[in-house]
Amino acid sequence: EDQVTQSPEALRLQEGESSSLNCSYTVSGLRGLFWYRQDPGKGPEFLFTLYSAGEEKEKERLKATLTKKESFLHITAPKPEDSATYLCKRGGSNDYKLSFGAGTTVTVRA
Amino acid sequence: DTGVSQDPRHKITKRGQNVTFRCDPISEHNRLYWYRQTLGQGPEFLTYFQNEAQLEKSRLLSDRFSAERPKGSFSTLEIQRTEQGDSAMYLCASSSPESSYEQYFGPGTRLTVT
Repeated sequence: EDQVTQSPEALRLQEGESSSLNCSYTVSGLRGLFWYRQDPGKGPEFLFTLYSAGEEKEKERLKATLTKKESFLHITAPKPEDSATYLCKRGGSNDYKLSFGAGTTVTVRA
Repeated sequence: DTGVSQDPRHKITKRGQNVTFRCDPISEHNRLYWYRQTLGQGPEFLTYFQNEAQLEKSRLLSDRFSAERPKGSFSTLEIQRTEQGDSAMYLCASSSPESSYEQYFGPGTRLTVT
């Protein structure tokens, strides 16, 4: 079954310490890769959609990139307010029912 | 519009009881989805509505689960004869026909079955 795998499970960063999160996927009719942010006790918040290898999208301190087999979410000079769980999900036919990854929980300490 | 809302935010119930959750999507969104999320996992798809029609149900949605969207606006998810394994966060999301992939999630209903 096609699925996405996120790593690491958890990431603890000092404020200003840049890092990257990984989302790897098996490819079968890939049509987009989505990134979401989820704060504790809240629903996921849509961040980015990437459609083709080489594509990049940015939002504040976050930059998402896509290759043929994986996507990275780069966090540049993070702040404590970037602390959250970041989820990825691949797109495809009827993508609403495709699985999310288990997420990477990012904690940024001041 | 204040986004997707869900009610209640928390529900504690005893095993065997029935519970019902409500979701109010963003008003112009015709697509509505229910997901379940357990600790440490991403959301899992349960069911999907387009307007009032329930177009798809996951095999996770056992016979004890039923969802409705009677007028194509709000939706309800009912769980009958709750079991401890039903304890989870139940999330509702909606999307517009123009950008169906961009889902807007509600805050969720946290269900605890004792």
